[in-house]
Amino acid sequence: QVQLQESGPGLVKPSETLSLTCTVSDYSISSGYFWGWIRQPPGQGLEWIGSINHSGYTYYNPSLKSRVTMSVDTSKNQFSLKLTSVTAADTAVYYCARGEGETYNLAPYNWFDPWGQGTLVTVSS
Amino acid sequence: DFVMTQSPDSLAVSLGERATINCKSSQSLLYSSNNKNYLAWYQQKPGQPPKLLIYWASTRESGVPDRFSGSGSGTDFTLTISSLQAEDVAVFYCQQYYRIPHTFGQGTKLEIK
Repeated sequence: QVQLQESGPGLVKPSETLSLTCTVSDYSISSGYFWGWIRQPPGQGLEWIGSINHSGYTYYNPSLKSRVTMSVDTSKNQFSLKLTSVTAADTAVYYCARGEGETYNLAPYNWFDPWGQGTLVTVSS
Repeated sequence: DFVMTQSPDSLAVSLGERATINCKSSQSLLYSSNNKNYLAWYQQKPGQPPKLLIYWASTRESGVPDRFSGSGSGTDFTLTISSLQAEDVAVFYCQQYYRIPHTFGQGTKLEIK
């Protein structure tokens, strides 16, 4: 069954760029689906960051859109997240997940399953 | 954005009793063309990622025990655990996927009384 694993630095300095990669196993990203990033600040709820499909179509949360870039590397079966100009408010567990549901006019209408285990990223000097 | 509001924020239920969690959307999640409600439910245990329980408001994910059920339409939805088991202790989230940005409720913490 498909598995996802996040990787990247656990500590990022304020004003720098957070970079994470999600490696997908037992399923080829090229086969379809949207792939998403969701984050969870410590002790808080879930926030959808954005989603990308195998062709590179991206949809971002407007609240983060100016700072977010997602990309996909089908040769490595990975997709990535970059978040610029981070502050302490960006400290969170970052999850990658597969989006399931519908795609309409190239846009995702997705629930998320499965999820990676998550990786804690702390923004601190 | 669609605002998802869950109630209560926390609840304690005795083993074997029914647990009910509510989720209210600021706008309707029912798409009239296909009569589907674009709402999912997740369970998150400490230190684990969320686990999908329900999608399309009432379709149980494969492998999810049948004591979990989802109901509701439009703006008001309910997750029911018919007979609480010790392993059900968790935080539960609803999520709308009717409109981007996809948004989650704030979570409901379920404990054993």
